[in-house]
Amino acid sequence: DAGVTQSPTHLIKTRGQQVTLRCSPKSGHDTVSWYQQALGQGPQFIFQYYEEEERQRGNFPDRFSGHQFPNYSSELNVNALLLGDSALYLCASSLWTGGNQPQHFGDGTRLSIL
Amino acid sequence: GESVGLHLPTLSVQEGDNSIINCAYSNSASDYFIWYKQESGKGPQFIIDIRSNMDKRQGQRVTVLLNKTVKHLSLQIAATQPGDSAVYFCAEKKGVTGGGNKLTFGTGTQLKVEL
Repeated sequence: DAGVTQSPTHLIKTRGQQVTLRCSPKSGHDTVSWYQQALGQGPQFIFQYYEEEERQRGNFPDRFSGHQFPNYSSELNVNALLLGDSALYLCASSLWTGGNQPQHFGDGTRLSIL
Repeated sequence: GESVGLHLPTLSVQEGDNSIINCAYSNSASDYFIWYKQESGKGPQFIIDIRSNMDKRQGQRVTVLLNKTVKHLSLQIAATQPGDSAVYFCAEKKGVTGGGNKLTFGTGTQLKVEL
């Protein structure tokens, strides 16, 4: 049973470019959340998707957008990249109605902005 | 606002000793408190959680204690092993009406196990 998978594992971009990160949730999960983890910090919640809609959003600008597909996989898009966007981007999956079940994380995409 | 913080950024223990990692939180409206372990190059791995109406929960070699009076959470690891070396995060889980939830993480504690 595959866990949460993310691609790519590493990515290098320059300022002003756009990037798309991908996530496949754990089998049986229907909800995907995205987190940004700066070096030496805890993950920060970006947003959460369920039934192909954004359900919750953290304190991130509109440059951060996402999408969820009918097979529950998800994409995170970031436009007009800034140096400060350099971070580890984590995807977590869970069940929408599974309030007592933990979120399962992938190993992340390391994004470096030059 | 919501915040979850940790008292100590680094904790060094001898192999075989017990480890205690502490965490303070400020939001009393959370549903669960969770401990995650993150090894270098990996995503956070769930260790144990505790519902907000409980004060203690035990797992395999780990115990989580919740003191709501002082808004304090701790993770106890028994007989610490080299494989326990990692960064440990406490996180608060808050559900929303209709389903779904989000996690609010602290900055983490680096646990180093010395042989």
